[in-house]
Amino acid sequence: DIQMTQSPSSLSASLGDRVTITCRASQTIGDFLIWYQQKPGKAPNLLIYAASSLQSGVPSRFSGSGSGTDFTLTISSLQPEDIATYYCQQTFNTPRTFGQGTKVEIK
Amino acid sequence: EVQLVQSGAEVKKPGESLKISCKGSGYTFTNFWIGWVRQMPGKGLEWMGIIYPGDSDTRYSPSFQGQVTISADKSINTAYLQWSSLEASDTAMYYCARQMYYYDSRGYYWYFDVWGRGTLVAVSS
Repeated sequence: DIQMTQSPSSLSASLGDRVTITCRASQTIGDFLIWYQQKPGKAPNLLIYAASSLQSGVPSRFSGSGSGTDFTLTISSLQPEDIATYYCQQTFNTPRTFGQGTKVEIK
Repeated sequence: EVQLVQSGAEVKKPGESLKISCKGSGYTFTNFWIGWVRQMPGKGLEWMGIIYPGDSDTRYSPSFQGQVTISADKSINTAYLQWSSLEASDTAMYYCARQMYYYDSRGYYWYFDVWGRGTLVAVSS
């Protein structure tokens, strides 16, 4: 199985800050990388697919980049509604493994 | 509107069997894979497996192969996740999700675009 490792596991930032979350794959996965947002008590919500394509309806402050083994999710200006846990997922092969998650909190 | 409606919460005892469901609507159910994802209390997301309702082609994560059975009934647009003998460690929220794709020259980009609200399964003696 491909292992997905996110860093940090949690972070605390101020409103308006630029936030960056990193996801590393244990082998190259091209750009077959997805980002989801999960708010407490809710199902995950798709943010980005194909490493950098923004899902329809997702605010433009979210962006994704990377290819191969190293990927980044960036929130350009943190908003109160962005408080959530963020997960990456590789869809290069099955099982389509997730990262362990990054919890984003307000400082 | 595309929706996945999951069955309600379950409280079971160890050793009991269980089958939970996920009913799709608002799209052609047989044309898209349905996946199942486990989330244990306070933990992250785990990909369990996927099924193509059109022909019931199924793929499992090695971690869940033999532990659960994924099936579908295309006549009623419903996918299932079942256990023959539950354990306390099966206590978790289980989500179903539709696997959408984007295709370009580099291949198929798969992603879960629509999720159910989850079914909470609690196993305790």
